Amino acid sequence: SQQGEEDPQALSIQEGENATMNCSYKTSINNLQWYRQNSGRGLVHLILIRSNEREKHSGRLRVTLDTSKKSSSLLITASRAADTASYFCATAGGGNKLTFGTGTQLKVEL
Amino acid sequence: DGGITQSPKYLFRKEGQNVTLSCEQNLNHDAMYWYRQDPGQGLRLIYYSQIVNDFQKGDIAEGYSVSREKKESFPLTVTSAQKNPTAFYLCATERDRNSNQPQHFGDGTRLSIL
Repeated sequence: SQQGEEDPQALSIQEGENATMNCSYKTSINNLQWYRQNSGRGLVHLILIRSNEREKHSGRLRVTLDTSKKSSSLLITASRAADTASYFCATAGGGNKLTFGTGTQLKVEL
Repeated sequence: DGGITQSPKYLFRKEGQNVTLSCEQNLNHDAMYWYRQDPGQGLRLIYYSQIVNDFQKGDIAEGYSVSREKKESFPLTVTSAQKNPTAFYLCATERDRNSNQPQHFGDGTRLSIL
């Protein structure tokens, strides 16, 4: 089942602008993870935020988590053409299973 | 991810045929997973294995089978019972079972029907 829903489904911005993607989920979680997928490739892990954390940074990435609203956001600052990809959130609620959202397709134009 | 090898990259299946997708890892990870991805969609879990000789059904296991005879290998068979097999199949690993740690992915196998 798809727990996470990303918003927007698609996003097109100019190089240098910031990109914000949102993820909503339905049940309680242990952590929430963001992944990136280039066309025709596997997923690459970007960042993990635990349920007791509110914000986390990694390079140009900033992730926030609001467990009361069951939502998370991924901000990519100063975007580059190489950031063009699909971005997925995935929730971990216990056990071994991750539940992935439907993804946001980001296009960064020169 | 260099530690996970999926083969072949492209695979074609005839009607009534079983096909097997390979997934090999050298990361020494305990847990392995198979996902299916349809165009414009997220990943759906087919099967997963926490340790050798053990595996569990995921959300869409019907028409698929797996084995885990070695820690390094987790092949997926798409059987003739799977009526809509055309999709992108991704294998993933996780260091420890029940760890909820990041998963590492291979580069996928794209399966099509002839």
